[in-house]
Amino acid sequence: DARVTQTPRHKVTEMGQEVTMRCQPILGHNTVFWYRQTMMQGLELLAYFRNRAPLDDSGMPKDRFSAEMPDATLATLKIQPSEPRDSAVYFCADSAGHSTDTQYFGPGTRLTVL
Amino acid sequence: GQNIDQPTEMTATEGAIVQINCTYQTSGFNGLFWYQQHAGEAPTFLSYNVLDGLEEKGRFSSFLSRSKGYSYLLLKELQMKDSASYLCAVRGYQKVTFGIGTKLQVIP
Repeated sequence: DARVTQTPRHKVTEMGQEVTMRCQPILGHNTVFWYRQTMMQGLELLAYFRNRAPLDDSGMPKDRFSAEMPDATLATLKIQPSEPRDSAVYFCADSAGHSTDTQYFGPGTRLTVL
Repeated sequence: GQNIDQPTEMTATEGAIVQINCTYQTSGFNGLFWYQQHAGEAPTFLSYNVLDGLEEKGRFSSFLSRSKGYSYLLLKELQMKDSASYLCAVRGYQKVTFGIGTKLQVIP
């Protein structure tokens, strides 16, 4: 049963520290998304990649956030420096084809910045 | 851009039927998804509508009216395990935009 995996599942850190979240998409799924979910804003698209190339990162604060896909089996989302307002659940999702196809979500990383 | 509206919360009784509405205004529309998200878990795909009408899948059905910018998710024979958030998501030309979700509580 192929699934999207994410690490870590939980992260507590202090303001100003760097945070790195990792995602392994389902083998063969070539579109990868990063979302942030909070109670107030719901699910917000931060960035997405197709065939490892970044296609849209307009939802991501550029000054502190960066997303990369060094190879087809790994996507990373970094926050440097982290701030308390970054506290949220970060989901990685993928789709088999186009960016508008059905998406399969990972379990999420719950980030708390103190 | 996309604007999606759903009720924030709903409560329904076990065994009953509940309808969760979603309205949208969009600059481009290619279809509408419904996802289910249990507390503390990831969203999972429920249904997809691209043409007007009702799509039925077991206890769950989803309806779409493109001219009205309106969709609903119908849950029949409610079970306690149906307590979850239900996210309406609009498929645009380049990406999918999610609504904030409707938190459904099923009570005995």
